[in-house]
Amino acid sequence: QSILTQPPSVSAAPGQSVTISCSGTTSNIGTSSVNWYQQFPGRAPKLIMYFDDLLPGGVSDRFSGSKSGTSASLAITGLQSEDEAEYYCAVWDDSLKGIVFGGGTKVAVL
Amino acid sequence: QVALRESGPALVKPTQTLTLTCTFSGFSLSTSGVSVNWIRQPPGKALEWLAMIDWDGDKFYRTSLKTRLTISKDSSRNQVILTMTNVDPVDTATYYCARVRGGRPYDFDHWGQGTLVTVSS
Repeated sequence: QSILTQPPSVSAAPGQSVTISCSGTTSNIGTSSVNWYQQFPGRAPKLIMYFDDLLPGGVSDRFSGSKSGTSASLAITGLQSEDEAEYYCAVWDDSLKGIVFGGGTKVAVL
Repeated sequence: QVALRESGPALVKPTQTLTLTCTFSGFSLSTSGVSVNWIRQPPGKALEWLAMIDWDGDKFYRTSLKTRLTISKDSSRNQVILTMTNVDPVDTATYYCARVRGGRPYDFDHWGQGTLVTVSS
């Protein structure tokens, strides 16, 4: 059971949009910035969002992040087949004094 | 450019101690805000953060594994070592090391390719 709660999967048709939620608590998302990672099967994760809503260089601006209270979200607009991957949120937890990951969300392009 | 590479045994027997090494280049672990972290992923499951050692020598561990983990650094060799004692088949996973460049929010901007460790007799 992950400290951060994500939906197991989301899906949409090409060109549509999806939003992945990440729910936490006051000891993690409520007090620290959230990072998001994209992972393809058999590959290492890749940072695609940091400080809640900042895009690393080279990451498509079809990705956007937001946070409100103890929840964060990652949105993907103009969905493409190349976006099919697993997505994880992560954040520092002040109570655990460590980094916690969400359970991951698989994005499927129909 | 920044690069990290994990190395260690592919197979370990239950109750043994696992030692993994992360060899990095392109950055210094002496730079303020930098840390090297270990993260693992059991087959078909989610990522799990394990441990962090930062530029100042501070160490942080996953609470549930704190008694079994030790993280250390060899600055002269640009290496970070993770040891895990008393391994069990549930510790079978791909183990990654990853860099944090500037403290909070502890975003892992570079990752190694990962090394698969199987715990089995």
